[in-house]
Amino acid sequence: EAGVVQSPRYKIIEKKQPVAFWCNPISGHNTLYWYLQNLGQGPELLIRYENEEAVDDSQLPKDRFSAERLKGVDSTLKIQPAELGDSAVYLCASSLDGGSDTQYFGPGTRLTVL
Amino acid sequence: EDQVTQSPEALRLQEGESSSLNCSYTVSGLRGLFWYRQDPGKGPEFLFTLYSAGEEKEKERLKATLTKKESFLHITAPKPEDSATYLCAVQAGDSWGKLQFGAGTQVVVTP
Repeated sequence: EAGVVQSPRYKIIEKKQPVAFWCNPISGHNTLYWYLQNLGQGPELLIRYENEEAVDDSQLPKDRFSAERLKGVDSTLKIQPAELGDSAVYLCASSLDGGSDTQYFGPGTRLTVL
Repeated sequence: EDQVTQSPEALRLQEGESSSLNCSYTVSGLRGLFWYRQDPGKGPEFLFTLYSAGEEKEKERLKATLTKKESFLHITAPKPEDSATYLCAVQAGDSWGKLQFGAGTQVVVTP
């Protein structure tokens, strides 16, 4: 069974440029998560989707970050404009449902903002 | 506020030298405690979920235990392929679907 797919794996951009990350969750998983992981730290939740509804986006910096999950499957996370402090790994995860279901992570996208 | 603290930050072991990693937590009603393994350049890989104090789970050389305030990940007779960062995460009763991660313990096992 295919795992969570993310692209691109790496992205280098200049500050103030826009950037987008794409995630395809495990087939049949209704819940999708976007996490941010800084070097030497654990992942931090940015947003959680139940199907196509964003049910927890309290940690998403809404002035520059946006996300969507069309048709309740794939999701895109966008940053516009990017800042130096946005350099990090952006992880996508999915689970069958929310609650205490196991979350399975993708390989992440490493973003470097110059 | 929910808190998860992992110790030590880093651990260097000789092959075959058993050891334990600690994850102490403060949450308002634990729904579940999760252990993940993360290799460099990869996403976290699920290992175990523990739900109640006294619960134990094993997988190959790894054994996870849970008390009311902490969890331990025991590595028995480690091999170099056990080298990774081990992450602990908790889900609180009022945080449906949200995992609070610790900073991880980086384990290096030398031959």
